[in-house]
Amino acid sequence: SQQGEEDPQALSIQEGENATMNCSYKTSINNLQWYRQNSGRGLVHLILIRSNEREKHSGRLRVTLDTSKKSSSLLITASRAADTASYFCATGANSGGGADGLTFGKGTHLIIQP
Amino acid sequence: DAEITQSPRHKITETGRQVTLACHQTWNHNNMFWYRQDLGHGLRLIHYSYGVQDTNKGEVSDGYSVSRSNTEDLPLTLESAASSQTSVYFCASSDPTSGALSFGPGTRLTVL
Repeated sequence: SQQGEEDPQALSIQEGENATMNCSYKTSINNLQWYRQNSGRGLVHLILIRSNEREKHSGRLRVTLDTSKKSSSLLITASRAADTASYFCATGANSGGGADGLTFGKGTHLIIQP
Repeated sequence: DAEITQSPRHKITETGRQVTLACHQTWNHNNMFWYRQDLGHGLRLIHYSYGVQDTNKGEVSDGYSVSRSNTEDLPLTLESAASSQTSVYFCASSDPTSGALSFGPGTRLTVL
């Protein structure tokens, strides 16, 4: 069963605006990861945040993690048409590459209007 | 550049047939996984492997099997395809330091 759950399920904004997606999870985690999936493609890893971190940046991406609330948010600043995609959070219970700890949510579908 | 490839990219088969989906990675990762993606369910883990000769069941393993005879390949076999196995299948491998997954392009399987 899914551990992470993204909110909202769908989001449509104007190009140039910021997009925020949220992820909630249920059990203790070692790390939380965000992935992007363009239509008809495989998922692409965006950013990983460990349980002892609160915020992380990568280019136009900003991820926060609140382990007390079991939630994370992904902020995409100055959105572009190319950011149109589905975004998934995935929670890892184990450090390193342990597969049994990585569980995906159902995703947020983001549409950037030109 | 290192990559993961999957073949075929599209497959149509009939109920009851055996089907094998191929996955090949050149990352030299020990950990490899198979997921299926269905509307309304997101990605669900089918099987995974931590190395040669190692295989483990995931959340939705019934009706599927995998084998790992070398580091590069993890083929997924549907022993007797069922319509409920119509889905998009993704293979992935993970970076041993971060646990970040690298995904293949996917195989769209239709079981009639």
